[in-house]
Amino acid sequence: AQSVAQPEDQVNVAEGNPLTVKCTYSVSGNPYLFWYVQYPNRGLQFLLKYITGDNLVKGSYGFEAEFNKSQTSFHLKKPSALVSDSALYFCAVRDYLGGADGLTFGKGTHLIIQP
Amino acid sequence: DAGVTQSPTHLIKTRGQHVTLRCSPISGHKSVSWYQQVLGQGPQFIFQYYEKEERGRGNFPDRFSARQFPNYSSELNVNALLLGDSALYLCASSFERISGNTIYFGEGSWLTVV
Repeated sequence: AQSVAQPEDQVNVAEGNPLTVKCTYSVSGNPYLFWYVQYPNRGLQFLLKYITGDNLVKGSYGFEAEFNKSQTSFHLKKPSALVSDSALYFCAVRDYLGGADGLTFGKGTHLIIQP
Repeated sequence: DAGVTQSPTHLIKTRGQHVTLRCSPISGHKSVSWYQQVLGQGPQFIFQYYEKEERGRGNFPDRFSARQFPNYSSELNVNALLLGDSALYLCASSFERISGNTIYFGEGSWLTVV
């Protein structure tokens, strides 16, 4: 089975500073990796995905992620944080689940942007 | 275009009751999946429906079932509710079953079992 790990429960960043939310993966074969964001009491919003190609993937709301095969990482980044970026972020990997194509999620990282 | 829509948004049920949750996928999407998100955890895959057939199931008991209709909308049914079934139930849709397709989620249905 595929898995992802988000080692930090919470990340605190000052507004205007760069942010990084970490994700490492463990897969057999080539990984299909995703980042989603969840605002309080809301569903998941898709940010970006890595399937193949350039290691730097650009997504919604100014976010980007860097795929690093040697370090098995897919960290989410943003050059300048906004208070409105405060939310719960999930890393996920496409997985073969009970015969179906689904997503296996990490436990999530709370991102808190301080004014 | 409308995204994935789910109803109801919130509901409260008593232990032992039955619940039905509904989902309409994004127009043109043929695959619908259901996920359970317990407070403080990441979503857990329940099952996927494609072309009206169940294509796979996660580690959930038979009390959980679903169906997909000709218009690709879906219903999730849970029988004999337990307190532990209290969670956010997320519906997700994608165009096909191909691995690279993006999966889009709805806002979810909050189920509280008392």
